[in-house]
Amino acid sequence: ETGVTQSPTHLIKTRGQQVTLRCSSQSGHNTVSWYQQALGQGPQFIFQYYREEENGRGNFPPRFSGLQFPNYSSELNVNALELDDSALYLCASSYGTANYGYTFGSGTRLTVV
Amino acid sequence: TQLLEQSPQFLSIQEGENLTVYCNSSSVFSSLQWYRQEPGEGPVLLVTVVTGGEVKKLKRLTFQFGDARKDSSLHITAAQPGDTGLYLCAGNFGNEKLTFGTGTRLTIIP
Repeated sequence: ETGVTQSPTHLIKTRGQQVTLRCSSQSGHNTVSWYQQALGQGPQFIFQYYREEENGRGNFPPRFSGLQFPNYSSELNVNALELDDSALYLCASSYGTANYGYTFGSGTRLTVV
Repeated sequence: TQLLEQSPQFLSIQEGENLTVYCNSSSVFSSLQWYRQEPGEGPVLLVTVVTGGEVKKLKRLTFQFGDARKDSSLHITAAQPGDTGLYLCAGNFGNEKLTFGTGTRLTIIP
């Protein structure tokens, strides 16, 4: 079975621009969660999608938005980029409840200059 | 807001030594997971614990879930350089999302 794949692996954007990050979930998984991990920190929950609907959101502003597609792949969109948005963005997939653990992708390293 | 505290934040020990890292919360977990993350990679799931008092072993790693389901520990026996990494605990507080701790950065010196 394939794992979680994220693209691109690295990205450099200018403050004020918009960015779209992509994630293909592991085969058989119907839930995708997105996390932001700043350098030296643990991952912070952005939001979760279950069967194409947002199923919970962390403490992130509305300029962070997402989508989940019928094949359970997902996108994370960030508008009006700020310098503090520079981080590793992680996508994790699971089958339903978080009780059984997530499979993470390797992440997208976003640098905002 | 549920918070997870991990300690120590940094740990550097010699190969062959034993170590324990801790994860604590003021709230009760529905379940708790431990992950290891290496540079440039996403976290990799090591174990999930669900029942208070539960102990799970994964080779030289022993995971314990507190009786009250508010804390957990990870003990590594005879540490090896391959154990180097960022160890993250993550709790599910019943709202279907994982809350991560800040991590313990472990370095094993050959």
